[in-house]
Amino acid sequence: QVQLQESGPGLVKPSETLSLTCTVSGGSVSSYYWTWIRQPPGKGLEWIGYIYYTGSINYNPSLRSRVTISVDTSKNQFSLKLSSVTAADTAVYYCARVQVGYCSSTSCLNWFDPWGQGTLVTVSS
Amino acid sequence: DIVMTQSPDSLAVSLGERATINCKSSQSVLYSSNNKNYLAWYQQKPGQPPKVLIYWASTRESGVPDRFSGSGSGTDFTLTISSLQAEDVAVYYCQQYYNTPFTFGPGTKVDI
Repeated sequence: QVQLQESGPGLVKPSETLSLTCTVSGGSVSSYYWTWIRQPPGKGLEWIGYIYYTGSINYNPSLRSRVTISVDTSKNQFSLKLSSVTAADTAVYYCARVQVGYCSSTSCLNWFDPWGQGTLVTVSS
Repeated sequence: DIVMTQSPDSLAVSLGERATINCKSSQSVLYSSNNKNYLAWYQQKPGQPPKVLIYWASTRESGVPDRFSGSGSGTDFTLTISSLQAEDVAVYYCQQYYNTPFTFGPGTKVDI
């Protein structure tokens, strides 16, 4: 059974870069698509982007200029970097696996399952 | 972007009673070529990550109790909990995966 675990600093200063890693166990990162989602405290869910081990990537346009998602197959991990952070980037960050199956006219990616437990990142000086 | 809305924002239901949550998408998430609605429902309990309950708008995830059901097509969807149990207290989100950016509804909080 695939399990995901986020790790990284819980506190980042404004204007700096947030860096998180998701470690995949019980399965290979070289299968499936992988994604990041965030949730500001007490608020809803925002999709950040996804990656496939071949390097295929798609980012939310609202964050595209600041986001980088990468994959390290040797460590069975994928990572998130978000630059120039502000207090608005304070959130619980989740990693998840993307189910792949029936394609719509624009995407073959389906729902997210499973999810990691999430990690809270606070942006503050 | 496809905008997802949910109603109500919150609801309180007695144990054993029915809870109904509505989700609406700003454009259809039904792909006519395969007749599938690209819509999932998630349950998020306090301090936990979301967990998928329903996908393809009406297919229950393995292990999800059959008191949870999803219905609807096109732009209008419903999640029904037929007989609310104490462990169902949570926030419920709908999500479209028809195209990117993938988007979620704002959530509906269900209480006893």
